[in-house]
Amino acid sequence: KNEVEQSPQNLTAQEGEFITINCSYSVGISALHWLQQHPGGGIVSLFMLSSGKKKHGRLIATINIQEKHSSLHITASHPRDSAVYICAVADQGAQKLVFGQGTRLTINP
Amino acid sequence: GAGVSQSPSNKVTEKGKDVELRCDPISGHTALYWYRQRLGQGLEFLIYFQGNSAPDKSGLPSDRFSAERTGESVSTLTIQRTQQEDSAVYLCASSSRTGYNEQYFGPGTRLTVT
Repeated sequence: KNEVEQSPQNLTAQEGEFITINCSYSVGISALHWLQQHPGGGIVSLFMLSSGKKKHGRLIATINIQEKHSSLHITASHPRDSAVYICAVADQGAQKLVFGQGTRLTINP
Repeated sequence: GAGVSQSPSNKVTEKGKDVELRCDPISGHTALYWYRQRLGQGLEFLIYFQGNSAPDKSGLPSDRFSAERTGESVSTLTIQRTQQEDSAVYLCASSSRTGYNEQYFGPGTRLTVT
């Protein structure tokens, strides 16, 4: 079993829909990261959080430390949101990131 | 300001040859990470540098892989006697501190071993 599990692996939705991507992890962590990887391969950091909730534009990330679970939400989705979204955790006491397998999101116009 | 840069952007090499990949982190970032992404797979941690501390090499897949960093600047990842399974995109990231800060990723080097 992977230390970081994401669901779903693939998600296709229509423009305007509310999107939720889930991430569960099995280790104690110091922080959780959400990353976005566009088709060209470039990776952008969206959020880094260790508790609670963060919001940036149409993106919202939440984390429940007790349940070892995080969600990434996209409101009013747009075709330009189409990308692979990656959850990664930083182990407690370690500095390296352990990555989920990613969720491929496709938003159709 | 300038982001993380990597060179070359693409590298094709013959099996058995050595390759060197370069990463220039964001100025002032003390932490530098190397990751690998094989085709269709997730990201894998390779090695991490933080300031003058000993690097965390726990992700290096074999002793053919090594990395160096000069102070808090440029890093090079060297793969000796390349194998076809080394084909991947090698990504570098930097952050201003460890763990608790977001990481800024470079565009990657696509390595193809023929």
